Amino acid sequence: AQSVTQLGSHVSVSEGALVLLRCNYSSSVPPYLFWYVQYPNQGLQLLLKYTSAATLVKGINGFEAEFKKSETSFHLTKPSAHMSDAAEYFCAVSVSPDFGNEKLTFGTGTRLTIIP
Amino acid sequence: DSGVTQTPKHLITATGQRVTLRCSPRSGDLSVYWYQQSLDQGLQFLIQYYNGEERAKGNILERFSAQQFPDLHSELNLSSLELGDSALYFCASSVGRLGDEQYFGPGTRLTVT
Repeated sequence: AQSVTQLGSHVSVSEGALVLLRCNYSSSVPPYLFWYVQYPNQGLQLLLKYTSAATLVKGINGFEAEFKKSETSFHLTKPSAHMSDAAEYFCAVSVSPDFGNEKLTFGTGTRLTIIP
Repeated sequence: DSGVTQTPKHLITATGQRVTLRCSPRSGDLSVYWYQQSLDQGLQFLIQYYNGEERAKGNILERFSAQQFPDLHSELNLSSLELGDSALYFCASSVGRLGDEQYFGPGTRLTVT
């Protein structure tokens, strides 16, 4: 069974500083990996996804993530934090041997706070 | 706006009652997924439907059931409600191809008193 571990339930960075949110996955087969963001009182919005086409994936709002098979990691980064990045971030994995069966398994989330 | 709609946005009901949550997927999407988000359990997959048929089940209680109709909208039925069922319930949809991203609705916040 697949699983996702997000290290750090809370991360605080200063405005303009590097954002690094960590995600490690466990899967016996090549996974599909996703990062979602959730703003207060809203649904989840897709930031980016990895589907084996390229190990460095660029997403929306200046975020990117690098898939490292040797480390089973898919960390999310942004070079310069903005106040609007304050939100909760979820890493998710999908392992789908069968067509039409692609449930997402989510990590516990990381709440990102931006310090002015 | 993801294109996925959910109604109602908020629902307050008493223990023992039954409620129905409704979801309309994005145009063209055949798969609908239901997730529950709570403080103690996090985001948990409940059930998936693909083109009207149940395709996968997760941590869904026997008191809960779902269906997907011919027009592809879906309903999640929660019965014999308990305090612990209070949570955010999200619907997501995708085309249904391998690796496709899921688009989430705004959620229904259920409060059981």
